[in-house]
Amino acid sequence: KAGVTQTPRYLIKTRGQQVTLSCSPISGHRSVSWYQQTPGQGLQFLFEYFSETQRNKGNFPGRFSGRQFSNSRSEMNVSTLELGDSALYLCASSQGQGTYGYTFGSGTRLTVV
Amino acid sequence: GENVEQHPSTLSVQEGDSAVIKCTYSDSASNYFPWYKQELGKRPQLIIDIRSNVGEKKDQRIAVTLNKTAKHFSLHITETQPEDSAVYFCAAMGFKTIFGAGTRLFVKA
Repeated sequence: KAGVTQTPRYLIKTRGQQVTLSCSPISGHRSVSWYQQTPGQGLQFLFEYFSETQRNKGNFPGRFSGRQFSNSRSEMNVSTLELGDSALYLCASSQGQGTYGYTFGSGTRLTVV
Repeated sequence: GENVEQHPSTLSVQEGDSAVIKCTYSDSASNYFPWYKQELGKRPQLIIDIRSNVGEKKDQRIAVTLNKTAKHFSLHITETQPEDSAVYFCAAMGFKTIFGAGTRLFVKA
């Protein structure tokens, strides 16, 4: 079956702009989580969605937001981009919440200049 | 708040040796503990997992052990090979999912 698809793969934006990233989970997976990964750093949790509801949110400023649609596809938005937002943004899907492993997408590499 | 401590941050072993990575969690509600391997430039991939009602699980050269009382779990890789070189992340999952900071494993040929 198809894996987790993230688009776009690469993105270059200017400071102050806003950006929207997309994630299509594995068919049948209802949970989508987003993580930020910077070089040499771990996985910083952004948010988790399950059946269109945000279940958990990490410690990121309000400039970071997300949503999930009825078909489980998810988007995350970052407004007023800062240089420090440059990172790999990973989406992960799972069958449910809490006791299922993640399947990660390949990520969107965002560069803010 | 809840956290997961992962040690060591870097581990270098000779090919054929064993490698052990340890994680300690704080959230008592955690009941599922997966391990992910991330090779350079690639996505993290689930390599093994264990649930709270099990003490040990093996899959060929890798094994995971869980001590619920002490709230720690470990990844064991035996007969390491150069292709095991990667960053390994542990996670504790329940209502929340919390990842460890990662361990960079180098296997020297």
